[in-house]
Amino acid sequence: AQKVTQAQTEISVVEKEDVTLDCVYETRDTTYYLFWYKQPPSGELVFLIRRNSFDEQNEISGRYSWNFQKSTSSFNFTITASQVVDSAVYFCALSGGSTLGRLYFGRGTQLTVWP
Amino acid sequence: DVKVTQSSRYLVKRTGEKVFLECVQDMDHENMFWYRQDPGLGLRLIYFSYDVKMKEKGDIPEGYSVSREKKERFSLILESASTNQTSMYLCASSLIQGVMGTEAFFGQGTRLTVV
Repeated sequence: AQKVTQAQTEISVVEKEDVTLDCVYETRDTTYYLFWYKQPPSGELVFLIRRNSFDEQNEISGRYSWNFQKSTSSFNFTITASQVVDSAVYFCALSGGSTLGRLYFGRGTQLTVWP
Repeated sequence: DVKVTQSSRYLVKRTGEKVFLECVQDMDHENMFWYRQDPGLGLRLIYFSYDVKMKEKGDIPEGYSVSREKKERFSLILESASTNQTSMYLCASSLIQGVMGTEAFFGQGTRLTVV
């Protein structure tokens, strides 16, 4: 079975604070992809990153960084020096070799960044 | 850029009506998906299709059907709309690499209200 858990339902921070969004996954597939998406108030989901299960290197893109740890089945997302424009719902997702391309989503974390 | 277009941004229908939600993608993706998004429940998969005329049930297919006659178009049909189908509907598409589904790209969403 495939499962993605985002335990944090809502997070509030003040601008310029760092914030980490947690994602824990379960899969029996040995090959899989992990994803993060952003859903701003406008509603359209925006793809942020894809990670292959064989690549555990951390990734940094500007103020965004991702920490993938197979040992703990986690794929956490950190925003450094948060800004008001980062306010959105963030979803973590999983696609495995046995899922015919289907993505399994967590329930999302609502991030609010206050000025 | 991948473009996934949903036919309506907002829709109001009466109970018992047959409702068609249309989705078109322009990137020759094999996979197409219909999700429903409700507050607190995240994204729930209704149906997906990995090829023309092929479909797979997701987690909540009851009350819905789908049609994929052409690769670029995936239609969601509410056979007899009910008030509990009032929701945001999201269409997505993705590429298959080997046996793996890559990142999905989403349309802007259709907010359906059934009265």
